Amino acid sequence: EVQLVESGGGLVQPGRSMKLSCAASGFTFSNYGMAWVRQAPTKGLEWVATISYDGSSTYYRDSVKGRFTISRDNAKSTLYLQMNSLRSEDTATYYCTRVPGIGLFDYWGQGVMVTVSS
Amino acid sequence: EIVLTQSPTTMAASPGEKVTITCRASSSVSYMHWYQQKPGASPKPWIYDTSKLASGVPNRFSGSGSGTSYSLTISSMETEDTATYYCQQWSSNSRTFGGGTKLELK
Repeated sequence: EVQLVESGGGLVQPGRSMKLSCAASGFTFSNYGMAWVRQAPTKGLEWVATISYDGSSTYYRDSVKGRFTISRDNAKSTLYLQMNSLRSEDTATYYCTRVPGIGLFDYWGQGVMVTVSS
Repeated sequence: EIVLTQSPTTMAASPGEKVTITCRASSSVSYMHWYQQKPGASPKPWIYDTSKLASGVPNRFSGSGSGTSYSLTISSMETEDTATYYCQQWSSNSRTFGGGTKLELK
């Protein structure tokens, strides 16, 4: 059974940093691209970043470029999202998702809440 | 960036009623994916590659479309179909979602 378990969220002040983790199990992690998708409270879904199966390629939405970094450790089957210079508009539930290669997010974690507030 | 516009934003349907949700893209896309999300839960893939049903999705659901216009249809509304539905496309290594359609029971 595919499982994606996020951790690392919480309350953080504007301008500070936070790192999210996603522990994957139930599939061969190193064979799949992975992504982060977020959802602000009562709002819709928003793609944040994608990383290729081997970590050689990364892609970001414009609003997080230069501030967020997606990375992975295939030996640990873990996905990361380093978030710097956080803004109030980054407040959201962040979902870890698997990307099988046709642009689809086929498995989702339970999500982790990030609140950026002073 | 390709913008996806869903309509309607919210709607209510009676049991047995046919439901159609539309997703329009600002530029032509090759295919569309759809997700279902219920309150407090993570989204689930529902229809992928425009018309293929994800595992476990009832066959009263269908997807169609091409170019800039895509749709999700429920042939006969059931109580369990109340949820928010999102369309999503992938192009040029960027992914975008529609704003969502909240489907309620009348």
